Amino acid sequence: SQQGEEDPQALSIQEGENATMNCSYKTSINNLQWYRQNSGRGLVHLILIRSNEREKHSGRLRVTLDTSKKSSSLLITASRAADTASYFCATEDSNYQLIWGAGTKLIIKP
Amino acid sequence: DVKVTQSSRYLVKRTGEKVFLECVQDMDHENMFWYRQDPGLGLRLIYFSYDVKMKEKGDIPEGYSVSREKKERFSLILESASTNQTSMYLCASSPGTGPNEKLFFGSGTQLSVL
Repeated sequence: SQQGEEDPQALSIQEGENATMNCSYKTSINNLQWYRQNSGRGLVHLILIRSNEREKHSGRLRVTLDTSKKSSSLLITASRAADTASYFCATEDSNYQLIWGAGTKLIIKP
Repeated sequence: DVKVTQSSRYLVKRTGEKVFLECVQDMDHENMFWYRQDPGLGLRLIYFSYDVKMKEKGDIPEGYSVSREKKERFSLILESASTNQTSMYLCASSPGTGPNEKLFFGSGTQLSVL
């Protein structure tokens, strides 16, 4: 069953701007992961944040986790054309099962 | 780098055919997964395996079976393909047992059943 829900479903911004995507979930989690998928390809792991962490950085990526609100956000700073992709969150529940959202489609306009 | 290889990028089959989708990983990972991806629905887990000759049903196993005879290979079988099985199929692997902290995906197989 789907637990993660990304918001917005689609996002179009100008190159150089920041992009923010959100993920909400319903049950307690061990961790939350973000993945990127280029058109018609497999997914690539971007970043993982554990349930006891609040913020994590990796290059131009910043992920926050608010377990009280059961939500996470992914911020991509200084966006580039190559960031055009779909972004998925996946939450790992207490049974170590990954539950995926439907994704946010990000378009970076030159 | 971990490599997960799916045997076909595109596949066209006819209704009723038996279809085999192969997946091979080269990093000695314990866990392997088969997902299908449909627009607006995200990834749905079909089957997974935590060890050789071991398999567990995911959320949507109906109409599918799997085989894991060797650690590096995980095959998805559509016993009698139907048009509603037209989809993108993604194979993934992850190391160790317990937490699935990083999945490595293949490039996917776009299957069309006519």
